[in-house]
Amino acid sequence: QPQLVQSGGEMRKPGASVKVSCRASGYTFSNYGISWVRQAPGQGLEWMGWINAYNGKINFAQKFQDRVTMTTDTSTNTAYMELRSLTYDDTAIYYCARCAVVVTATTWLDPWGQGTLVTVSA
Amino acid sequence: DVEMTQSPLSLSASVGDRITITCQASQDIFIYLNWYQQRPGKAPKLLINDASNLETGVPSRFSGSRSGTEFTFTINNLQPEDMATYYCQQYDSLPLTFGGGTKVDVK
Repeated sequence: QPQLVQSGGEMRKPGASVKVSCRASGYTFSNYGISWVRQAPGQGLEWMGWINAYNGKINFAQKFQDRVTMTTDTSTNTAYMELRSLTYDDTAIYYCARCAVVVTATTWLDPWGQGTLVTVSA
Repeated sequence: DVEMTQSPLSLSASVGDRITITCQASQDIFIYLNWYQQRPGKAPKLLINDASNLETGVPSRFSGSRSGTEFTFTINNLQPEDMATYYCQQYDSLPLTFGGGTKVDVK
């Protein structure tokens, strides 16, 4: 069955960058897209953006457009999300999730990775 | 952006009860609405797509429906393992947006 396994928790200082990985298994990686969603402590879900794992096409939420990069490595079936210029408000659990189709981000998300806690602290 | 207004914020019910959660979209999103369950400390899990289509393996006590821009999620015969936070999510347009969540406590 399809599965996404994310990298471990990270701690960064304000102004730094963090890169989270998401390794896929159990399905053909390039046949689907990957969305990234974050959840601040005790808060709801916030979509950050999407990458087409076949051709690398991306679409970001406007809020993150200037400081997020999303990439994929089809040789290792891994997606990456890098967030730059971190602030305390970026402390959150970051999830990757498989999109139901490859050509668009407008779909449902299933399955999800286990989440990666990113803590921004001085 | 499409705003999803979810209610109630939380509820408490007993085993065997029927509960209902509502999501109101700020514009017509047709059937493009999903429901997720997030148990404490876990990642969200897709339960229903396209407003009413139950995912394979999801118990039939879960259901969803649509009336215009209002979407309803129902759990019949509530079970202890249903204690979780439930989220709606629209996918009619980008950015994908979620409701604020409903925390369900099982007495």
